[in-house]
Formats: sequence, structure tokens, C-alpha cells
Amino acid sequence: EAGVAQSPRYKIIEKRQSVAFWCNPISGHATLYWYQQILGQGPKLLIQFQNNGVVDDSQLPKDRFSAERLKGVDSTLKIQPAKLEDSAVYLCASSPLRGGANSPLHFGNGTRLTVT
Amino acid sequence: AQKVTQAQTEISVVEKEDVTLDCVYETRDTTYYLFWYKQPPSGELVFLIRRNSFDEQNEISGRYSWNFQKSTSSFNFTITASQVVDSAVYFCALAPGGYQKVTFGTGTKLQVIP
Repeated sequence: EAGVAQSPRYKIIEKRQSVAFWCNPISGHATLYWYQQILGQGPKLLIQFQNNGVVDDSQLPKDRFSAERLKGVDSTLKIQPAKLEDSAVYLCASSPLRGGANSPLHFGNGTRLTVT
Repeated sequence: AQKVTQAQTEISVVEKEDVTLDCVYETRDTTYYLFWYKQPPSGELVFLIRRNSFDEQNEISGRYSWNFQKSTSSFNFTITASQVVDSAVYFCALAPGGYQKVTFGTGTKLQVIP
């Protein structure tokens, strides 16, 4: 099966600019996650979708970050305006619902964002 | 609150040596899941193993083995006869039962020197 697809692979922007990342999960996976991984740290959950509904966005900085999964398939994460501390790798992951509440996550290769 | 501690930031071993990566967790849940993921230089996190809190049986998969001890809240990972391809960052993770909110540790970078 095809894996989780993310684009772009790299992005460099200046602070206060906006940026968007795209994710296409594995076909049939109901749950989609966006994680932020700052250099030298573990991934931190930003938002979790189940189909097109938000399950958890408690750690999403909602004043500047937004995400949507309108048709319950692919998803977009946006940052507007970006800050220097947003420099990180943004990872998308998906998992099937049938595997149970704690089925393993399947990750994409991530988007490396550099804010200058 | 959940917490995962991986005290070893970086480990270097010579090829064919055995190496153990430590993971200590904190949770108030009685049902929970523990995971190990591997992140090679390419960046994609790869699932290695999942364990639930009711199953303390150790597991072996080829050169990999995992030791789960609830008494010490530890879930350690051992690679036997390490190979250069094992070089990666390894993350231990924890999730409460019934909900997929996964908390990751800070990772241990393993370098296997040929």
C-alpha cells in the first residue's frame, strides 16, 4: 500500500509569512494526526482528526495555526503568521480505526520548515 | 499527565555489540500502551512494537528484544549484534487505553560504527 504522502519536503520562509503543508494519509485510514518535531525533541501532537472531525487540538496554537480535513481524506496545516520558533519538522501520521484505539501510527517523511 | 523519559541522548557502539535503549514512563492510567519507533536519517518514523499494560511478557523479534517491567515503569529495547543500518533515533512512546493521544520521549540517537 502507498504510504502517507506529505508535501512540500522543505520550506523556507521569513517570519510573519504564511505557509501551508499538505498530507494524504494511507487509503482507508480514518484517523489523521499532525505532529511538530523540533530539532532534538520527540514529536508533539498538534491536532488529531477522526474522519473530518477534530478529536484533539489542545496543543495547537490556534492564534496562528489552523488545520482542516474537509472530506475526511487529505489534510492541510497552515501557519499564519509564522514565528522563528515554528522552525521544525511537521509530521503527518495516519492510523486505521479498525486496529483499535491504539493501533500503530504510520508516518510520512515530514516537511522541514525553516523560518528566518 | 503522561511522561516518557529517555535519559540516553546519544549512544555510540561498534558494530556487532549489543546495546540497550532505556525508557521510563509515568502514567496514572491502569490501561495504557507503550511503543517504540525508529527514525532513520530519512526522517520517517517507523513503528517497531506495541505493548499493552496487561502484557508484561518480553518479546523478541530477530535481533530486537523488549523488556517491559511495570514494577519499575520501564520498557527497554535491546539490539543484539548491532549493525550500521540500526543507526537512527529511537523513540519510546506512551498512549492511554482507548485513546490515541501518543506522548513521545525525546529520543535516543544510536550510532553504530563499522
